[in-house]
Amino acid sequence: DGGITQSPKYLFRKEGQNVTLSCEQNLNHDAMYWYRQDPGQGLRLIYYSQIVNDFQKGDIAEGYSVSREKKESFPLTVTSAQKNPTAFYLCASSIVPGGTYEQYFGPGTRLTVT
Amino acid sequence: DAKTTQPPSMDCAEGRAANLPCNHSTISGNEYVYWYRQIHSQGPQYIIHGLKNNETNEMASLIITEDRKSSTLILPHATLRDTAVYYCIVSSVYNQGGKLIFGQGTELSVKP
Repeated sequence: DGGITQSPKYLFRKEGQNVTLSCEQNLNHDAMYWYRQDPGQGLRLIYYSQIVNDFQKGDIAEGYSVSREKKESFPLTVTSAQKNPTAFYLCASSIVPGGTYEQYFGPGTRLTVT
Repeated sequence: DAKTTQPPSMDCAEGRAANLPCNHSTISGNEYVYWYRQIHSQGPQYIIHGLKNNETNEMASLIITEDRKSSTLILPHATLRDTAVYYCIVSSVYNQGGKLIFGQGTELSVKP
């Protein structure tokens, strides 16, 4: 089945630790995205990548880092510098970058930092 | 990208049509209307999009007014599985990064 996988579904970490969230797609899509969702809120863009070895900051990139070494993979690291890391993290991809192509979302990772 | 306004919640009886409105009065000519939905604790799911003409697919129909200032998503025969938050999003052809701006959406409850 083609799609986007995110792992793990639930993740617990202690404050001060970096944590990396996995996102893999087998849709052969060029563009990939990371969003954050807080309870009762819409999604906010953290980072996006239009092509391998290239990525750009979204609206709330502070405290996060990404890499795009392979077309199918776009991991997100939540660093200790992120002040409020507890949230639902969603990865998405689209066939090409741009505002007129639908995005396909993964199931999400719920991160809790205590 | 233009801002959208949606009612915060709606109810619909199972088997009836669900009509979800969206206002986008500042939409410009190069902006598409997109609809996504998010079932609780899952990732959003693309439903449909359009520019000027009405669109229909296996999930829903999208009706866009002639002046393009508002649109309606129609789920023709709502089921309990359609209970979700529905997001109306406007996105420009010049949006090179592909960022989607998700507002609060409409929480649709389909009741038996």
